[in-house]
Amino acid sequence: GQNIDQPTEMTATEGAIVQINCTYQTSGFNGLFWYQQHAGEAPTFLSYNVLDGLEEKGRFSSFLSRSKGYSYLLLKELQMKDSASYLCAVTDSNYQLIWGAGTKLIIKP
Amino acid sequence: DTAVSQTPKYLVTQMGNDKSIKCEQNLGHDTMYWYKQDSKKFLKIMFSYNNKELIINETVPNRFSPKSPDKAHLNLHINSLELGDSAVYFCASSQETRDLAYNEQFFGPGTRLTVL
Repeated sequence: GQNIDQPTEMTATEGAIVQINCTYQTSGFNGLFWYQQHAGEAPTFLSYNVLDGLEEKGRFSSFLSRSKGYSYLLLKELQMKDSASYLCAVTDSNYQLIWGAGTKLIIKP
Repeated sequence: DTAVSQTPKYLVTQMGNDKSIKCEQNLGHDTMYWYKQDSKKFLKIMFSYNNKELIINETVPNRFSPKSPDKAHLNLHINSLELGDSAVYFCASSQETRDLAYNEQFFGPGTRLTVL
């Protein structure tokens, strides 16, 4: 079967750095997405990785290792508005998007 | 200038009723989706649809049916509503071709369905 694992919940302090991990086992791989979802709102796109390595976009970076079936989302200089759920999703060999359950990130002052 | 819109935003109804949720996208995308997000916040794909192909998640009861009057619209019709149907339903769209892995999806605001 297809499976994406993420921690259920993480807590971090405002101004700090946090890394949210995602591991996947899917039938094929055609890219990995990270989405952000604030409570009561729709998911919004954060990043896309298809090659190994680090993609940086402002305070957010996303890393991919295809050989390990592993990705992480790195959030720097945390702000209170970063409190949200972060969803990892993988495009499989049929170009279907397989979603993880999401990681709820709680930021404390 | 809303990209993906859904109506209604909130829907409260009785068990056994039939209801529809409407979705429209003005992005010119080829593919639209319906997701269900339950209380555990897990996003579950229900349908993906373009003008060529309807892909149904086999775990979705046949009480749920997508209806697409045109490429910009994909409505969700639900028959004989049950308590377990209570959830947030998201519509999404993407510009997708079979050989395009970068299928970023744009989500509507969601419809919170409560079945009493």
